[in-house]
Formats: sequence, C-alpha cells, structure tokens
Amino acid sequence: KAGVTQTPRYLIKTRGQQVTLSCSPISGHRSVSWYQQTPGQGLQFLFEYFSETQRNKGNFPGRFSGRQFSNSRSEMNVSTLELGDSALYLCASSFSEKKYNEQFFGPGTRLTVL
Amino acid sequence: AQSVAQPEDQVNVAEGNPLTVKCTYSVSGNPYLFWYVQYPNRGLQFLLKYITGDNLVKGSYGFEAEFNKSQTSFHLKKPSALVSDSALYFCAVRDGWNQAGTALIFGKGTTLSVSS
Repeated sequence: KAGVTQTPRYLIKTRGQQVTLSCSPISGHRSVSWYQQTPGQGLQFLFEYFSETQRNKGNFPGRFSGRQFSNSRSEMNVSTLELGDSALYLCASSFSEKKYNEQFFGPGTRLTVL
Repeated sequence: AQSVAQPEDQVNVAEGNPLTVKCTYSVSGNPYLFWYVQYPNRGLQFLLKYITGDNLVKGSYGFEAEFNKSQTSFHLKKPSALVSDSALYFCAVRDGWNQAGTALIFGKGTTLSVSS
C-alpha cells in the first residue's frame, strides 16, 4: 500500500497570505489528523477528522481550519499567515477513530513564512 | 491533563551496546502508549505501541518497550544499537478513557546518537 502523501512538500509564503495543504491517507484509512512541528513547541495536535467530521481540535487560533472529503482526503488551511506559522505540518492517518489504532504519518509539508 | 516527559534531550551510545530512551506519562485513565522515530526531513515512523496485556512490547527494527504502571513509564530499549538507529525518537500517549478523540500527545523528543 502507498503511504500517506502530502502536497506540496515545501511552501514559501509571506505574512498575511493564506495557504492550503493537502493530505491523502493510506487507502482504507478513514481517520486523518494534522500536527504542527516546530523546534520550540515540538509536535502539537491541530485537528482530527473522521468520516468528514471534525472530532477533535487542538489549541490553535481560528486561522487554522481543515476539512475532510468523502474519499478521506483532507486539507488544512491557514489564513493570514504569521511568521510563527513557519513549521513542518504533518498529516497522519489511521484505519479508524479507535484509540488503539496507530497513526501513520506522511513526510510533511515544510511551510516557511517570510 | 495528559502529558508525556522525555527527560533526556540526547542519548549517546556506542554501536553494539544496549540503548534505553526514557519516557514517563501522565493520564487520568488507562494509557495507550506509542513510540515513533523521525529521520531528518522525514515524517514519523511508527515503532511500537502498548494497549493492554504483556508489559513488554516488541516492535520494528529490534526495538522493544517496557510498560511500568507503578512508575508510569514506557522506556524504549534495544539490546544492540546500530549506527543507523541514530534519529529523533518520540514517545506519545492517548488517554483511553478520554472521549475527546484520538489526538496523540507527544513528548519533546530524544535524539539518539550511536557512534561506531
């Protein structure tokens, strides 16, 4: 099976712009989660989707949003970019929403905000 | 609130020697515990998990982890380290009783450096 894919792999934006990141989960996986990774804050949970519904959301401002489509693919959007949004954004998929399922991570999208 | 602590920022070990990467956790209910490894410019790779049952869990690439409920620990171990094991290791937890979803709470990570 193909792994989790994320596009684009690298992005450079300027402050105030918006950005959309895409994630395709492993075939058959219906749960998708997003995480932000920075040197200072480490790995932080953004949100989780299952069957097109947001099940959980981390402590991020409303500028961060996401959605999941009927084919389980997911997108996240960040509006009005700030310098502090520069990070590696990781998408992870799992077979179901059950807590005992491990999550499988994509390679990430490296976002740089200038 | 859930939390994970990895007390060592870096662990150095010689090739062929045993390695241990430490992790302690805090949850209000039963813990579901995971270890992941991250190589430079890559995503996280799943190594192993503890859900219930045997306290010694075996995972990928010869790694294993020991769950200790009384010490709230889940240390990652390998009997004989390889240079290729050098990477960033993350411990993560979910609270099995928390109905708020499947969000993983990660530790800060431990850099493992294996010298030849």
